[in-house]
Amino acid sequence: RKEVEQDPGPFNVPEGATVAFNCTYSNSASQSFFWYRQDCRKEPKLLMSVYSSGNEDGRFTAQLNRASQYISLLIRDSKLSDSATYLCVVPPYSGSARQLTFGSGTQLTVLP
Amino acid sequence: NAGVTQTPKFQVLKTGQSMTLQCAQDMNHNSMYWYRQDPGMGLRLIYYSASEGTTDKGEVPNGYNVSRLNKREFSLRLESAAPSQTSVYFCASSEGFGPDTQYFGPGTRLTVL
Repeated sequence: RKEVEQDPGPFNVPEGATVAFNCTYSNSASQSFFWYRQDCRKEPKLLMSVYSSGNEDGRFTAQLNRASQYISLLIRDSKLSDSATYLCVVPPYSGSARQLTFGSGTQLTVLP
Repeated sequence: NAGVTQTPKFQVLKTGQSMTLQCAQDMNHNSMYWYRQDPGMGLRLIYYSASEGTTDKGEVPNGYNVSRLNKREFSLRLESAAPSQTSVYFCASSEGFGPDTQYFGPGTRLTVL
């Protein structure tokens, strides 16, 4: 099993839709998780951090399921500007950035 | 604040040529990183520098060398470029050396023919 796995998509959804992505991880000791957003041909930028069961920021909700070892990202009321690739990031238990594992990303396209 | 800057933005090399990718940050961060990103794969860590004066290998260091010139600058050198090094290279920095927010530069798109 890969350390971090994401459905590559693409997810094509209409404006206003709700969409959710999952990210599964293999290291059961990982304590914190991150979602980064990467626009086409741009650098990744931090979207959300997840330290406990979940986190909510406006239209974005990240949830953590430790028993099943996955984190999810829910986007409500999708906007055209949400079109991007969403990267799941899983650090190890030690928290060392040396071992950050980036998922290959889930591509989202929001259609007018 | 420019954040993290990288030069050049694009580069085409022939097999066997050498080049240095430059990275600088103006956020007074302690840690800096070099990643490569290939289609269908996640970002992979090449080298990192936890603090000024230290560097260490990441997941895919072969064929690369780095220099932490000072707290602001962290360069990546390809001594003898190979087609397998065709990729997008990102430099990043963070305040600490942990899974806190990493700030990325705009990337360098490198093609090795």
